[in-house]
Amino acid sequence: GNSVTQMEGPVTLSEEAFLTINCTYTATGYPSLFWYVQYPGEGLQLLLKATKADDKGSNKGFEATYRKETTSFHLEKGSVQVSDSAVYFCALRRNSGGSNYKLTFGKGTLLTVNP
Amino acid sequence: DTEVTQTPKHLVMGMTNKKSLKCEQHMGHRAMYWYKQKAKKPPELMFVYSYEKLSINESVPSRFSPECPNSSLLNLHLHALQPEDSALYLCASSQDPPGTNEKLFFGSGTQLSVL
Repeated sequence: GNSVTQMEGPVTLSEEAFLTINCTYTATGYPSLFWYVQYPGEGLQLLLKATKADDKGSNKGFEATYRKETTSFHLEKGSVQVSDSAVYFCALRRNSGGSNYKLTFGKGTLLTVNP
Repeated sequence: DTEVTQTPKHLVMGMTNKKSLKCEQHMGHRAMYWYKQKAKKPPELMFVYSYEKLSINESVPSRFSPECPNSSLLNLHLHALQPEDSALYLCASSQDPPGTNEKLFFGSGTQLSVL
């Protein structure tokens, strides 16, 4: 079946530090990959996505590249801000076959950025 | 208006109570979703409505009863819940039907506590 594995948190960084949150996946075929962010007390927001191998998703200074050879979609940001403190979820969705409507989420990684 | 609005934000109910969660969007989206999120866990899909018809039920117990009165509204009726049903209930919507690489817009959720 489909699964997503994210690095365990929590992750605590100082402002302007470099961020990497690792995400690897298991899926049949060629899924679409997503990063969602959940700020405290809010619902999830789509941060970025990639729909095929070697695609790079980017938004708000965050980037992630769909690596088929390593089945990874690591999230990176060159310089984090306090306002980036949130829980980050990696997710995938199959693009064909049964259950292709369903997002499979990782367990989430809590990021705290200190001033 | 790019919001999905959920009410109430917080709800405490006893195991014999009947209550309803409400979700509203005015983006003209034709698919709406209910997710359940336990503390420190990823969201889990419960139901999907597409064009006001229930299209997906992820084997959710019958004490949860969804309803889609019109294309802008989605309700979740609750009856005889258990304490383990305490969670954050998230509503989401998408312009396109599920499984078509749609982008989900999430509400902030209803934090439900069952005593």
